[in-house]
Amino acid sequence: QITLKESGPTLVKPTQTLTLTCTFSGFSLSTSGVGVGWIRQPPGKALEWVAIIYSNDDKRYSPSLRSRLTITKDTSRNQVVLTMTNMDPVDTATYYCAQRMVAQPVMPFTYWGQGTLVTVSS
Amino acid sequence: EIVLTQSPGTLSLSPGERATLSCRASQSVTNNYLAWYQQKPGQAPRLLIYGASSRATGIPDRFSGSGSGTDFTLIISGLEPEDFAAYYCQQYGSSPLTFGGGTKVEIK
Repeated sequence: QITLKESGPTLVKPTQTLTLTCTFSGFSLSTSGVGVGWIRQPPGKALEWVAIIYSNDDKRYSPSLRSRLTITKDTSRNQVVLTMTNMDPVDTATYYCAQRMVAQPVMPFTYWGQGTLVTVSS
Repeated sequence: EIVLTQSPGTLSLSPGERATLSCRASQSVTNNYLAWYQQKPGQAPRLLIYGASSRATGIPDRFSGSGSGTDFTLIISGLEPEDFAAYYCQQYGSSPLTFGGGTKVEIK
């Protein structure tokens, strides 16, 4: 059974750095073709892809957020960490982590965490 | 970047009716790697369709996807009460990955 769970602060101040951790089970990020990504959703708005890291350590970022993001993995601890610098109130959103496969068949985000709401406010 | 435009924004229908949701891409989606998700309030998205037309595990056959290139459709053949939700398309054939703006299916 594959599960993912997001953890991190629920409230951050403007200009601060956000660090979110995705802890997963039921698969390994050392398996070829596995990816874990982050997707966010501001209240009442649409989903927005943020970043993804693959088992081969390939990292991809949203072009609009790239300068502020870092994604890393700790394979031994089954965790993926996302850091986002210079937080702004417009970054207030529910942040989800999700797993996908890029080995055949190539799959979209198949398994999702429950999400964590991050509010940016002074 | 591939921009996905979903229409309509809101669909008001009665249980038992057929729902037709559209997702149009600004350029051709590589290998028709187009997915549909369902999201209910307070819940994470759930994968319904991948590869434009393949149902994910456990998805009822009243959900069907079709299309290729730049035009894709999700059909719900007879709405059940639990189908009233938001639906998002996503292309996963090229980076950056992108989502559509969503269609809300509401009870008329």
